[in-house]
Amino acid sequence: EAGVAQSPRYKIIEKRQSVAFWCNPISGHATLYWYQQILGQGPKLLIQFQNNGVVDDSQLPKDRFSAERLKGVDSTLKIQPAKLEDSAVYLCASSLIVEQDTQYFGPGTRLTVL
Amino acid sequence: KQEVTQIPAALSVPEGENLVLNCSFTDSAIYNLQWFRQDPGKGLTSLLLIQSSQREQTSGRLNASLDKSSGRSTLYIAASQPGDSATYLCAVRPTTTDSWGKLQFGAGTQVVVTP
Repeated sequence: EAGVAQSPRYKIIEKRQSVAFWCNPISGHATLYWYQQILGQGPKLLIQFQNNGVVDDSQLPKDRFSAERLKGVDSTLKIQPAKLEDSAVYLCASSLIVEQDTQYFGPGTRLTVL
Repeated sequence: KQEVTQIPAALSVPEGENLVLNCSFTDSAIYNLQWFRQDPGKGLTSLLLIQSSQREQTSGRLNASLDKSSGRSTLYIAASQPGDSATYLCAVRPTTTDSWGKLQFGAGTQVVVTP
């Protein structure tokens, strides 16, 4: 079974530039999550999709971050414009359904904002 | 607001010694608790999941206990090996339906097992 795929793996940008991350979840998984993990901290949920609808985006900085999940499969997370404090690893995870299911994580995208 | 704490932040043990990793949480109203492993440059891998009604879960050399009333969980790794070197994170899932699926993570314990 193929795992959660993410690209790119690494990205370096200047502050105020924009950046986009892509995630392809495990086939058949209805729920998709985007997490932000700052160095030395645990992951923090940014947004959760159920199929192509948003379930929770309470911790997403909506003035600069946006995310979409087209056709309930792949997802893109965008930051525009980026700030220094956005430097982190962005993890995508998916689960079959929300209730009780284990979340399977992708390898993450390490973003450095200079 | 749920706070999840893992102490110590880092731990180094010689090969063969048993590992004991601690996780504490402030709100006992949890649905379940998970332990994850994170290797450098990689995502998280789920190790064990304990439902709130359970006291412990075991998988091979790993055993996790849960004391919901005191807000504590402990992950035991028996006879540690260098391959166990990684960061271990615990995460709790809340019971409230409006936060369903939102795992609250601790910052993790970085473990080094020396040969």
